[in-house]
Amino acid sequence: EAQVTQNPRYLITVTGKKLTVTCSQNMNHEYMSWYRQDPGLGLRQIYYSMNVEVTDKGDVPEGYKVSRKEKRNFPLILESPSPNQTSLYFCASTKRGGPSSYNEQFFGPGTRLTVL
Amino acid sequence: ILNVEQSPQSLHVQEGDSTNFTCSFPSSNFYALHWYRWETAKSPEALFVMTLNGDEKKKGRISATLNTKEGYSYLYIKGSQPEDSATYLCASRQGGSEKLVFGKGTKLTVNP
Repeated sequence: EAQVTQNPRYLITVTGKKLTVTCSQNMNHEYMSWYRQDPGLGLRQIYYSMNVEVTDKGDVPEGYKVSRKEKRNFPLILESPSPNQTSLYFCASTKRGGPSSYNEQFFGPGTRLTVL
Repeated sequence: ILNVEQSPQSLHVQEGDSTNFTCSFPSSNFYALHWYRWETAKSPEALFVMTLNGDEKKKGRISATLNTKEGYSYLYIKGSQPEDSATYLCASRQGGSEKLVFGKGTKLTVNP
């Protein structure tokens, strides 16, 4: 089954404790992206990647890191999480050309993160 | 930052009613407009990707139109059903940018 998977789905952590949210897709998509969803603010893009070893900042990259060493994986790293990073996070992938072409994005199931 | 606006923010209709809502985006340097349907506790799922002015797409009882010159798109639902209850997101991309910018969504509730 074609899908985007994220782990963990739920996480409660404390300020300053480094964490990684994994994202993997099995559709051989070149483009992958991370979003955060906050009440009243809509989906905001954190980082995106056009292909292996190519990453770029979205609209809200502060406090996050990403890497794209393999095509299928695009982990989101919070080196020192803070309470303002409490949010619902979505990973998404798209076929070659990214959302800049006409292809739809496929979203993962979401990760609900709480930073105390 | 590209500004994508959706209205209304929320909408309550009765089963069987037809409804529509709006997505507004900057018309300059337009490239593509996406519509997604997002049910509670699930992931957003793509409905349409539209690129051409005057384009109209349909999927079952849901259809969408696009006006790139004035910068808006309408999503229509004919004969709403309770299972149509969801948040409907639109997202726009401009030429020269790889970013997809989402609106805040329209939350539709269809009462049986």
